Amino acid sequence: SQQGEEDPQALSIQEGENATMNCSYKTSINNLQWYRQNSGRGLVHLILIRSNEREKHSGRLRVTLDTSKKSSSLLITASRAADTASYFCATVPNTGGFKTIFGAGTRLFVKA
Amino acid sequence: SQTIHQWPATLVQPVGSPLSLECTVEGTSNPNLYWYRQAAGRGLQLLFYSVGIGQISSEVPQNLSASRPQDRQFILSSKKLLLSDSGFYLCAWSVRLAGDTQYFGPGTRLTVL
Repeated sequence: SQQGEEDPQALSIQEGENATMNCSYKTSINNLQWYRQNSGRGLVHLILIRSNEREKHSGRLRVTLDTSKKSSSLLITASRAADTASYFCATVPNTGGFKTIFGAGTRLFVKA
Repeated sequence: SQTIHQWPATLVQPVGSPLSLECTVEGTSNPNLYWYRQAAGRGLQLLFYSVGIGQISSEVPQNLSASRPQDRQFILSSKKLLLSDSGFYLCAWSVRLAGDTQYFGPGTRLTVL
């Protein structure tokens, strides 16, 4: 199975609500990143959290990392219709390699 | 600021035809370059990466190849396309190789019929 797996696969919420997406991984990591992809477009980097960090904020985004549980969460507060997109976590296993491994993503739909 | 371009945006090709997708990066020197393929509703599969001119590493054996003729140019090719080559192809670059933030191009939607 994949190194990074997002949960849920799909999420539908009303505008103004908070959206929480989770990512689990299997091996120790150097860092974990979250990316966003609008339909039919390239990925856009949102935030990077290092293995020695527990929480990071950027605007309406809050990312947490629990290395003991090998999991991360992305919280989008006060969601907007424009937040509708797929969100991917990406990990770099701490095995001496460099390859960034992307999960299958969470598809978020924010209803206006 | 840095910009990454990909073309064409969409492509429909018959089985057995050749392929050439191009990616160029502006505003940076000696970037690490990547080609990914994304199947519908799925994550990204790393196909090739390059740390410098003429240096190509392949991650997945297949009928695709990559070349880097110039510092900021990365080309994905095939001599004969297969149906299974259909997908969304993304080029990306990063400053460092190991776990660095990657900056993606807009992608090319390839349909092989």
